[in-house]
Amino acid sequence: QKEVEQNSGPLSVPEGAIASLNCTYSDRGSQSFFWYRQYSGKSPELIMSIYSNGDKEDGRFTAQLNKASQYVSLLIRDSQPSDSATYLCAVIDTNAGKSTFGDGTTLTVKP
Amino acid sequence: GAVVSQHPSRVICKSGTSVKIECRSLDFQATTMFWYRQFPKQSLMLMATSNEGSKATYEQGVEKDKFLINHASLTLSTLTVTSAHPEDSSFYICSAEGFSGNTIYFGEGSWLTVV
Repeated sequence: QKEVEQNSGPLSVPEGAIASLNCTYSDRGSQSFFWYRQYSGKSPELIMSIYSNGDKEDGRFTAQLNKASQYVSLLIRDSQPSDSATYLCAVIDTNAGKSTFGDGTTLTVKP
Repeated sequence: GAVVSQHPSRVICKSGTSVKIECRSLDFQATTMFWYRQFPKQSLMLMATSNEGSKATYEQGVEKDKFLINHASLTLSTLTVTSAHPEDSSFYICSAEGFSGNTIYFGEGSWLTVV
């Protein structure tokens, strides 16, 4: 089992829909959780970080964290074609000095 | 603006030569830097983790004598691809983590082409 697992893609949603990206992790000591977006041929860019249980909203993006279930998700509301990219989930266990990335989920938003 | 700068963004080198890629944290001191390689349409592959002032920790299957990593200061790590071959052509990306470990930022990436 991978330490950080993401939905196997690709995920395709119509423009305007909600895209839901999921991530589970195995290290219960993890404290910091991130979502990165990577366009083809470009480096990943940080879009959301979340550190405590619950929801965190930033514009059309909402990150949800449930440490008991070891689950973090990213919702993209009103999806746009420009949201089409690969989304990477990352988890940091500061005490262990370890950061782990998922393999990514590719999202396609169709006009 | 970018908080992690990577240079060069693109480099072409001849087979058998060495090429150095720099990764700098601009707004913070990076205790840990990471180097990745990514082939087209594939996932990021972690190559090594470097901590300032100590030897890098390489992932299984990554040749430490071929991919030399130096993390001489809290703001600079370098990756040197030695005796490069065409199969080393790839997108190399660094990332940096600050003291508190609460964020990781990526550099812009470096496209290496070995001819």
